[in-house]
Amino acid sequence: GAGVSQTPSNKVTEKGKYVELRCDPISGHTALYWYRQSLGQGPEFLIYFQGTGAADDSGLPNDRFFAVRPEGSVSTLKIQRTERGDSAVYLCASSLNSGTSETQYFGPGTRLLVL
Amino acid sequence: AQSVTQLGSHVSVSEGALVLLRCNYSSSVPPYLFWYVQYPNQGLQLLLKYTTGATLVKGINGFEAEFKKSETSFHLTKPSAHMSDAAEYFCAVGDAGNMLTFGGGTRLMVKP
Repeated sequence: GAGVSQTPSNKVTEKGKYVELRCDPISGHTALYWYRQSLGQGPEFLIYFQGTGAADDSGLPNDRFFAVRPEGSVSTLKIQRTERGDSAVYLCASSLNSGTSETQYFGPGTRLLVL
Repeated sequence: AQSVTQLGSHVSVSEGALVLLRCNYSSSVPPYLFWYVQYPNQGLQLLLKYTTGATLVKGINGFEAEFKKSETSFHLTKPSAHMSDAAEYFCAVGDAGNMLTFGGGTRLMVKP
């Protein structure tokens, strides 16, 4: 079956611009996660959705970052007033149910470059 | 707070040799532990996970890992490396929350 997909695969933008990154989870998965992976580092948690609601957004670095999942499926990560330090690979994952023992299935990521 | 330390950002082995990738964690509650592999331009793929029960966990592609509570370790091993094993490997821990905390990763290189 189809895995987690993310679009675009690459995004180049200028400092100060607004960007949206999209994630399509595996069909039927109720939980969705966003992580950020900087060069040479492991992924870092940003936000977790159970259904339509953000159950944990403690990893969002500041109020320029926001994510939605209005219908409990597709999610969009939104970054306002981008900065060069936002350059990273943004990973989305989904799991069938919530709970830490659940396997999270990752998408290929969106590589964001802020010039 | 939970954390993960992967000793050795780069590990090089010869084809056919033992693979040993080290992972130590800290967690305030009994942890769930994961190993993921990342091939270039691909997403993270689960190799194996420990939740409860048997402490020796077998995964895909011949990998296995052993949960040692007394050592707070979850090292990944494979008896015989193959060229196709060259990739980046991440250890992760999950506890009370739903997020995973990842280590910094270990890049495995396999020499012919």
